[in-house]
Amino acid sequence: DVKVTQSSRYLVKRTGEKVFLECVQDMDHENMFWYRQDPGLGLRLIYFSYDVKMKEKGDIPEGYSVSREKKERFSLILESASTNQTSMYLCASSFYGNHNEQFFGPGTRLTVL
Amino acid sequence: QKEVEQDPGPLSVPEGAIVSLNCTYSNSAFQYFMWYRQYSRKGPELLMYTYSSGNKEDGRFTAQVDKSSKYISLFIRDSQPSDSATYLCAMSPNSGGYQKVTFGTGTKLQVIP
Repeated sequence: DVKVTQSSRYLVKRTGEKVFLECVQDMDHENMFWYRQDPGLGLRLIYFSYDVKMKEKGDIPEGYSVSREKKERFSLILESASTNQTSMYLCASSFYGNHNEQFFGPGTRLTVL
Repeated sequence: QKEVEQDPGPLSVPEGAIVSLNCTYSNSAFQYFMWYRQYSRKGPELLMYTYSSGNKEDGRFTAQVDKSSKYISLFIRDSQPSDSATYLCAMSPNSGGYQKVTFGTGTKLQVIP
């Protein structure tokens, strides 16, 4: 059974803290994605990676960075968390040749106080 | 104007009803059309995946694409309480290389026993 796991289901952090969200997939997928999901705004792409150490900005990269040191792991970093980064964060992965079929993790609900 | 518009609902129907979920879009470059289902507190999962115009059926689910009207639909026959979820439409210009997948905001469906 294919699987994308995320390090935390719920996270509460304070403004200004550095936050790490981790995602691991076991499907040997080349592509990995980070989205945030907000009511009325839907899924918005933050960053994606199509290979180890490769990354591309999505629609809303400001305030975020990513790291992909191993094929199966993709980390999202909030350098200095702010209250407007309170959101549901979803990680996904796909084969390089089919980015339309994405497999999502269960999400991390991040609250920044 | 958003690239993809989707009525957020909620849509409440009795068990056994036929459900119609719809999205409109403005980008004529979209060629691939997907429907993702998202249960509460879970990540989205791919439900249907179609290319260009036409119909595709999978069990109780039928996806329909009308590119001339820039309108896509998902029909659910004999709806069940287990179909209660948020349904996200998604679309992209191609499948190879990488082109961003654009998601709708989702329609929340409740099937009442």
